[in-house]
Amino acid sequence: GAGVSQSPSNKVTEKGKDVELRCDPISGHTALYWYRQSLGQGLEFLIYFQGNSAPDKSGLPSDRFSAERTGGSVSTLTIQRTQQEDSAVYLCASSRDRGRELFFGEGSRLTVL
Amino acid sequence: TQLLEQSPQFLSIQEGENLTVYCNSSSVFSSLQWYRQEPGEGPVLLVTVVTGGEVKKLKRLTFQFGDARKDSSLHITAAQPGDTGLYLCAGAQAGNNRKLIWGLGTSLAVNP
Repeated sequence: GAGVSQSPSNKVTEKGKDVELRCDPISGHTALYWYRQSLGQGLEFLIYFQGNSAPDKSGLPSDRFSAERTGGSVSTLTIQRTQQEDSAVYLCASSRDRGRELFFGEGSRLTVL
Repeated sequence: TQLLEQSPQFLSIQEGENLTVYCNSSSVFSSLQWYRQEPGEGPVLLVTVVTGGEVKKLKRLTFQFGDARKDSSLHITAAQPGDTGLYLCAGAQAGNNRKLIWGLGTSLAVNP
């Protein structure tokens, strides 16, 4: 498809387990963002990738969170030793450049029991 | 820390009513984007305003960027149930950074 693709769409896990969330951005988009959204709330910035530059990790809430972007395309957000407060929708977005229009995926809903 | 305040946080109105959502900051933005998010979906861009004082119309939605590029408003005329959703504003910081600063959103419910 031509849009941003995220997987899995839903993930239920037990406290303490690790999870990986995947984002496949729109082809040719150099900028990729990860956001976290709690029910009905605004977007919490997590991390930003721009081309080959060092990522902006300033929004990651703890060292249990990490992300990588391979070959300037697909990105994976990893949460280690999940906690119940990690439960949220994780949204990925891509854009042609920073500050330009963001195209969002449908999100990955994470539930930590 | 640069903030973007949205108001109101929640709004529940009847079909046919008018409403205005505000997005305010003490900082200048190079541009400002408005998004709408429906349940189970990601936000979708409605409009980008760039020039101070700019007004853009999208059917029954009117967007305005403040003269000083610090604030913006979204006005909906004759709201319909299909307008229901979370409205988010995002300002791009001035300069080369262009980092997006997000408001917390306005949750709008239009009742038939």
